[in-house]
Amino acid sequence: GAVVSQHPSRVICKSGTSVKIECRSLDFQATTMFWYRQFPKQSLMLMATSNEGSKATYEQGVEKDKFLINHASLTLSTLTVTSAHPEDSSFYICSALVRGGWTQYFGPGTRLLVL
Amino acid sequence: QKEVEQDPGPLSVPEGAIVSLNCTYSNSAFQYFMWYRQYSRKGPELLMYTYSSGNKEDGRFTAQVDKSSKYISLFIRDSQPSDSATYLCAMSAFAGGTSYGKLTFGQGTILTVHP
Repeated sequence: GAVVSQHPSRVICKSGTSVKIECRSLDFQATTMFWYRQFPKQSLMLMATSNEGSKATYEQGVEKDKFLINHASLTLSTLTVTSAHPEDSSFYICSALVRGGWTQYFGPGTRLLVL
Repeated sequence: QKEVEQDPGPLSVPEGAIVSLNCTYSNSAFQYFMWYRQYSRKGPELLMYTYSSGNKEDGRFTAQVDKSSKYISLFIRDSQPSDSATYLCAMSAFAGGTSYGKLTFGQGTILTVHP
């Protein structure tokens, strides 16, 4: 149990295009999901907190107009990187908080490469 | 001073050794403590989670929390080459609103178990 999926696992795009990443909790409901970014050999950096049915909360320094988050259901959150540039290339990971609980389960990550 | 300090290693041990991984923290509001294992290019996998002080054992893994010293540990017995990964400690406070469930991570310890 407690499986979180992400799609796609890897994406390569041209500079200026937008990329959507999906995060799904497969066997549990998650009112809250988190989006992280991870650079090589570094720990996870929280970008935003996504709550079902409400606006996401962004961490300081994260551009909300560039990283659009939608949490439309108790099992799905999406992150859209708008007008991507090479500096947006990174490993993006989502996690889902078990509804009513405090344990977080992570997705397998999405590797984004912007050319 | 970072809220959570973790020795990044790297740590290299022979197969069968007992491994001790540690984190210290400064925020006394932390009540939930987790250990994640992350293989290269993958999302973190939840290994152990504990609430407040005490020990918890699961197979070859034992998690310890000492809130009075603000110190947590993960012990791995009979370590195997497949345990080679980055280990991340994470913790959260019992908070409401937009802070609910937010994790604060250590920097991660890179562990290599050689045959």
